[in-house]
Amino acid sequence: EIVLTQSPGTLSLSPGERATLSCRASQSVSSSYLAWYQQKPGQAPRLLIYGASSRATGIPDRFSGSGSGTDFTLTISRLEPEDFAVYYCQHLWAFGGGTKVEIK
Amino acid sequence: QVQLQESGPGLVKPSQTLSLTCTVSGGSISSGSYYWSWIRQPAGKGLEWIGRIYTSGSTNYNPSLKSRVTISVDTSKNQFSLKLSSVTAADTAVYYCARGEMATIGVRAFDIWGQGTMVTVSS
Repeated sequence: EIVLTQSPGTLSLSPGERATLSCRASQSVSSSYLAWYQQKPGQAPRLLIYGASSRATGIPDRFSGSGSGTDFTLTISRLEPEDFAVYYCQHLWAFGGGTKVEIK
Repeated sequence: QVQLQESGPGLVKPSQTLSLTCTVSGGSISSGSYYWSWIRQPAGKGLEWIGRIYTSGSTNYNPSLKSRVTISVDTSKNQFSLKLSSVTAADTAVYYCARGEMATIGVRAFDIWGQGTMVTVSS
């Protein structure tokens, strides 16, 4: 069973700053099956990135994904006010524990 | 565009069976290569995949819940359903239905989600 560990648990940043979120798998996984989601309070998760680096439909290009093997990264180049949320990575049927990006 | 909507009781008594239905609109549940899944989220916690079904009826469940979960599909109604038996307070959560893109070894990503429905287990 693959376990996904996300870090940090909380990221405190200001609008306009760069956010770097990490997702580490307990064993090597195919990047084709690594996805990232954004969840805002009271809302369902929204698919941001699939295949580790492909943006889903309608996702702004300030969101980018990278990585391979056991280490994957979601980067938000310049935080907009609407980007403050919780982010989850996912591989097959497993989800990471989430990273909360909060306003500093 | 395809949309998903969960429905079912918001309150279930301990030891009883939780039953939810997800209605697919804007497209046929039988078209394309998709897994239809249930995912839940306790308040303030992360996401937990419960299980999935393909329109052929093939199912796969989270091992931690497998003994209590049944997922079924009714293609004539464009719906799929979740039954979770012997519920306890630990099953209190927001329950989401979601569409997962099928790929060689499993789901590639969950691209469409329902809005979620809160289910509380309490007497």
